[in-house]
Amino acid sequence: RKEVEQDPGPFNVPEGATVAFNCTYSNSASQSFFWYRQDCRKEPKLLMSVYSSGNEDGRFTAQLNRASQYISLLIRDSKLSDSATYLCVVNTISGNTPLVFGKGTRLSVIA
Amino acid sequence: NAGVTQTPKFRVLKTGQSMTLLCAQDMNHEYMYWYRQDPGMGLRLIHYSVGEGTTAKGEVPDGYNVSRLKKQNFLLGLESAAPSQTSVYFCASRAGTANYGYTFGSGTRLTVV
Repeated sequence: RKEVEQDPGPFNVPEGATVAFNCTYSNSASQSFFWYRQDCRKEPKLLMSVYSSGNEDGRFTAQLNRASQYISLLIRDSKLSDSATYLCVVNTISGNTPLVFGKGTRLSVIA
Repeated sequence: NAGVTQTPKFRVLKTGQSMTLLCAQDMNHEYMYWYRQDPGMGLRLIHYSVGEGTTAKGEVPDGYNVSRLKKQNFLLGLESAAPSQTSVYFCASRAGTANYGYTFGSGTRLTVV
């Protein structure tokens, strides 16, 4: 089983729709979790960290389910500018080990 | 703050040539990383450093060398470039705790012909 798995998509949704992505991770000892956004031919940028209690930033909501070992990202009222690839990122062990990146889920928001 | 700066942004090499990619960060981050990204492969870790003077191998280290002589700089070297090293290379840095994500540079697009 891969350390971090994501549905590659693409998810094609109309403007204004709500879309959700899930990501599963294999190491139950994982400590910290993030969602990154990557636009075509650009570097990944941190979208939000994912906290145990769940967290919200505007139209974006991230949740963590440790029992089932998955994290989710919900985007409400999708905008054309939300079109990008969303990377799930997990720190499998605390300390100085590198973060583990999923391969990403591609989202296209259509007018 | 410039964040993470990568130079050069683009380069074309001939097979067998050597080059060095430079990553510089001005955030006093302890950890630095080099990744390559190829279509359909996601980000793959080449080498990383947990502090000045340290380096470690990542997932795909063969054909690359690195050095971290100064805390703010992390160099990636290709001694004898091969077409298989055609890729987009991203450098990233992180502060010292696991709760922080990475800050990425804007990438270097390398083509080996």
